[in-house]
Amino acid sequence: GAVVSQHPSWVICKSGTSVKIECRSLDFQATTMFWYRQFPKQSLMLMATSNEGSKATYEQGVEKDKFLINHASLTLSTLTVTSAHPEDSSFYICSATGGRADQPQHFGDGTRLSIL
Amino acid sequence: ILNVEQSPQSLHVQEGDSTNFTCSFPSSNFYALHWYRWETAKSPEALFVMTLNGDEKKKGRISATLNTKEGYSYLYIKGSQPEDSATYLCAPSKAAGNKLTFGGGTRVLVKP
Repeated sequence: GAVVSQHPSWVICKSGTSVKIECRSLDFQATTMFWYRQFPKQSLMLMATSNEGSKATYEQGVEKDKFLINHASLTLSTLTVTSAHPEDSSFYICSATGGRADQPQHFGDGTRLSIL
Repeated sequence: ILNVEQSPQSLHVQEGDSTNFTCSFPSSNFYALHWYRWETAKSPEALFVMTLNGDEKKKGRISATLNTKEGYSYLYIKGSQPEDSATYLCAPSKAAGNKLTFGGGTRVLVKP
């Protein structure tokens, strides 16, 4: 089946640090990648939709200057949390798809981000 | 923003018993309904993508039905096994888009 790799799986860093999370589709070309955030005891909340070669589309309330998304190739998207603060601590997870809504999304394992 | 409700939030099932739970979503502008299984320390795994009203899909002991007119889907687990313990997430998508809105999930714990 389709495999998506997400790194790192766990990050602890100081407030003010920028953190980059990578999402790679290993065995298929992902025209669209999605970035989600999960708050404790809540479901997955879509942050942004990333299409290869174009700017990401952010959901309402998500700061694009805070959460920089780059999708430079059909197999790699990155999420950079800039100048992270404790309130950015959360679980971040990516998914990838060939593009159509009737195709399943393939998820990475997620990244647990803790900002001290 | 779609309002997606899953019930119950959690349930305990005795090994061997069958169970089912619900996903409710707005029926307007419906395009597809996704079901995922999310086991602890693993990534969410796609179970089904359903598009047609009245559709029923099956994967082993797990099956799902879809009613797009009234906006609900049922997921059934027949003869539950401990390995079925997971959180089951549903997510509809609206027409002309591939964004998913996830429900809160139903957490299933199968007791041996």
